[in-house]
Amino acid sequence: DAEITQSPRHKITETGRQVTLACHQTWNHNNMFWYRQDLGHGLRLIHYSYGVQDTNKGEVSDGYSVSRSNTEDLPLTLESAASSQTSVYFCASSEGAAEKLFFGSGTQLSVL
Amino acid sequence: QQQVKQSPQSLIVQKGGISIINCAYENTAFDYFPWYQQFPGKGPALLIAIRPDVSEKKEGRFTISFNKSAKQFSLHIMDSQPGDSATYFCAAVANAGKSTFGDGTTLTVKP
Repeated sequence: DAEITQSPRHKITETGRQVTLACHQTWNHNNMFWYRQDLGHGLRLIHYSYGVQDTNKGEVSDGYSVSRSNTEDLPLTLESAASSQTSVYFCASSEGAAEKLFFGSGTQLSVL
Repeated sequence: QQQVKQSPQSLIVQKGGISIINCAYENTAFDYFPWYQQFPGKGPALLIAIRPDVSEKKEGRFTISFNKSAKQFSLHIMDSQPGDSATYFCAAVANAGKSTFGDGTTLTVKP
């Protein structure tokens, strides 16, 4: 069955370190998204991509970057981790212009 | 500027009761309104969705009511069960799948 997987499930890092969260989908979806989930803030969009070599900033993109070299993967990089980036990160994908999102199980990131 | 406002933040309902969660939006460009259900430790999963050309959609015990003129929509869970205990997010979608989410509602159904 097609799926979307995130790794690692849990990550603890120190302030100032670079961190990369992986997202891999086997749906062959063109659209991929990164959200962060914080208590009281729902899901906020960090970056998104509509296809290979396409990346776009979301509403909370400062301190994050993504790259899309193939259809399956959209890694999220924290250039210099900050305590404010402690959160649960979700990757999602969708088919073409369709609106239904398929989510991964999330990565719990703690920045100490 | 919060484009999708969701209430209540938390909700406790007795088994068999009706759970109602409300959302309001501002951007008239939104043209798809999904609800997602999330269990602890899992990612959100699509529960039910509606487009603005209909006022109601029902799937089993779950119903979306949509009021285009008021820019409001709501999720009704009939005969609520303990297994429905989860966090529910409304969302509004425009621009080829870019979703804007409400802050979420934690539903607890007491046996």
